[in-house]
Amino acid sequence: QVQLQQWGAGLLKPSETLSLTCAVYGGSFNLYYWTWIRQPPGKGLEWIGEINYSGSINYNPSLESRVTISLDTPKNQFSLKLTSMTAADTAVYFCARGRYSSTWSLIDYWGQGTLVTVSS
Amino acid sequence: DLQMTQSPSSLSASVGDRVTITCRASQGISSFLAWYQQKPGKVPNLLIYGASTLQSGVPSRFSGSGSGTDFTLTISSLQPEDVATYYCQKYNSAPRTFGQGTKVEIK
Repeated sequence: QVQLQQWGAGLLKPSETLSLTCAVYGGSFNLYYWTWIRQPPGKGLEWIGEINYSGSINYNPSLESRVTISLDTPKNQFSLKLTSMTAADTAVYFCARGRYSSTWSLIDYWGQGTLVTVSS
Repeated sequence: DLQMTQSPSSLSASVGDRVTITCRASQGISSFLAWYQQKPGKVPNLLIYGASTLQSGVPSRFSGSGSGTDFTLTISSLQPEDVATYYCQKYNSAPRTFGQGTKVEIK
């Protein structure tokens, strides 16, 4: 059974950097895009970006200047860093697994979500 | 970038009603369209992919159709447990944009 377990700081001050990690249990780590998605309170889902085992990385253009997604393959973990946080970045952040082929990637498993609040 | 537009943004229907949600892509995406259901306080759950393929374990009252730019999610007979927000997502290429969501309530 596939499980994604995520953790990281839940309260940040403006201008600080968000750092979240997601550990993957079950399934192969090599065959998927590892993805981050966020959801502001009461709002919709926003795709942040993804990385695969080959090192192919894609980011949402609206966040690209501030976001870094990386892999720690020996630990079956992947991470998100988002710099210069503001109140507008307050959201539940989800990690997710995307099965893929060629250019498409379909999310089929999600982490439990982490509420990140940015406040002074 | 390509935009995904859902309509309506919310709807209220009676138990047993047929419910239809539409999703329109600003450019053609073939059949690389997924639908997710998110119940309040829960993680999104994949319902349909490939525009019309039902994910394993999803009740058969859910169905999807469309290709290119226009897609539809249909609930053939609305049940109380279907109260949720439904999102479409294009997954053919990055960025894998979501629609803004459709909130479904029971009348």
